[in-house]
Amino acid sequence: DTGVSQDPRHKITKRGQNVTFRCDPISEHNRLYWYRQTLGQGPEFLTYFQNEAQLEKSRLLSDRFSAERPKGSFSTLEIQRTEQGDSAMYLCASSPPTGTDEQYFGPGTRLTVT
Amino acid sequence: GIQVEQSPPDLILQEGANSTLRCNFSDSVNNLQWFHQNPWGQLINLFYIPSGTKQNGRLSATTVATERYSLLYISSSQTTDSGVYFCAVGSYNTDKLIFGTGTRLQVFP
Repeated sequence: DTGVSQDPRHKITKRGQNVTFRCDPISEHNRLYWYRQTLGQGPEFLTYFQNEAQLEKSRLLSDRFSAERPKGSFSTLEIQRTEQGDSAMYLCASSPPTGTDEQYFGPGTRLTVT
Repeated sequence: GIQVEQSPPDLILQEGANSTLRCNFSDSVNNLQWFHQNPWGQLINLFYIPSGTKQNGRLSATTVATERYSLLYISSSQTTDSGVYFCAVGSYNTDKLIFGTGTRLQVFP
């Protein structure tokens, strides 16, 4: 079991550029979550997939944000026209289909928008 | 939505001391997790404990669901225990976790 992986680990981009992050969940985990954490705060929920279906989206997920999980395995989170306020740690988590609701987190992608 | 409050916000200890971190939540939950966030930002799972008591080495946790609180106990603290501890809860109508604002623990030798 290799754990949740995220790529890239760090991303520096200029305001107005688009960025895409990838998350690979733990094998056989069908539930996948994205969270965002800003400095000094706890993580905040962005969106949730069960298999390939996006079941819940936060109001934090503006029109510039889109997430996909096309084959029910890895997921991507894209931010279009980045703003300085998008600077944050983006965390991905996964949980198994049955037995427990425990979520396991990846190492995160730290985004800096200059 | 559910509100999650953690206390104290900051805790400074000398190595070897014991501590208790508290998490209060405002509604019934079906998921409660304690995490330790390391300096690189990784959230390390400590306990999945929607109710009852669990122990893992020097750490233990108790959740009293009927009274809507959970406690994390750290005994004989070590410098490697330093970091931010988060409590997160999930409710019956959603799979998302709602995090508290954390307790920042500093352990000095």
